[in-house]
Amino acid sequence: EVQLVESGGGLEQPGRSLRLSCSASGFSLSDHAMAWFRQAPGKGLEWVGFVRRKSYGGTSEYAASVKGRFTISRDDSKNIAYLQMNSLKTEDTAVYFCSREDVGNVDYWGQGTLVTVSS
Amino acid sequence: QLVVTQSPSASASLGASVKLTCTLSSGHSSYPIAWHQQQPEKGPRYLMILKSDGSHKKGDGIPDRFSGSSSGAERYLTISSLQSEDEADYYCQTWGSDIRVFGGGTKLTVL
Repeated sequence: EVQLVESGGGLEQPGRSLRLSCSASGFSLSDHAMAWFRQAPGKGLEWVGFVRRKSYGGTSEYAASVKGRFTISRDDSKNIAYLQMNSLKTEDTAVYFCSREDVGNVDYWGQGTLVTVSS
Repeated sequence: QLVVTQSPSASASLGASVKLTCTLSSGHSSYPIAWHQQQPEKGPRYLMILKSDGSHKKGDGIPDRFSGSSSGAERYLTISSLQSEDEADYYCQTWGSDIRVFGGGTKLTVL
């Protein structure tokens, strides 16, 4: 059974950093691109970014709203994907979801972890 | 620019059918999309991938009541025999080589 479990969320001050982890089980992380999405309170889903499979270069792409501040990485040996969030802003407050990709489409979601950015 | 557009809301009666629409932006009518369901206070759930020819592949455990179809730049999600648990937000998602895009979602109310 495919499972994705996010961790690392919490309350952080503006300007600080936070790292989220996504632990995958039931499949080999190396076979898939992994993506992060977020959902601000009462809002819709927003794409944050994704990291390609190592066989496709392992490079990442980001939404304009987080580019230069957020970094997505992967450790295929541990079956974990990461979202490093720097220079946090209040507008980054959201539930963050990690997801597995098939050929660009998300085919599995995690349950989400709440990040609150507030002073 | 790659964009998908959804109506904000829809409603249908218990036991009836409903067809939700996702429209791809000009020049992107051949793109596939994915449909996702988000029940209240829950995380999203993948329903299916839907191609421009109407072929679709559902995710694990998705009931036969859910089906997809396509016409030009329009992608549809049809839910038949509506049940109370189908009341949810439905999002369409598409993608390019370096971008992922969501529609704003359609809030489905089951009357």
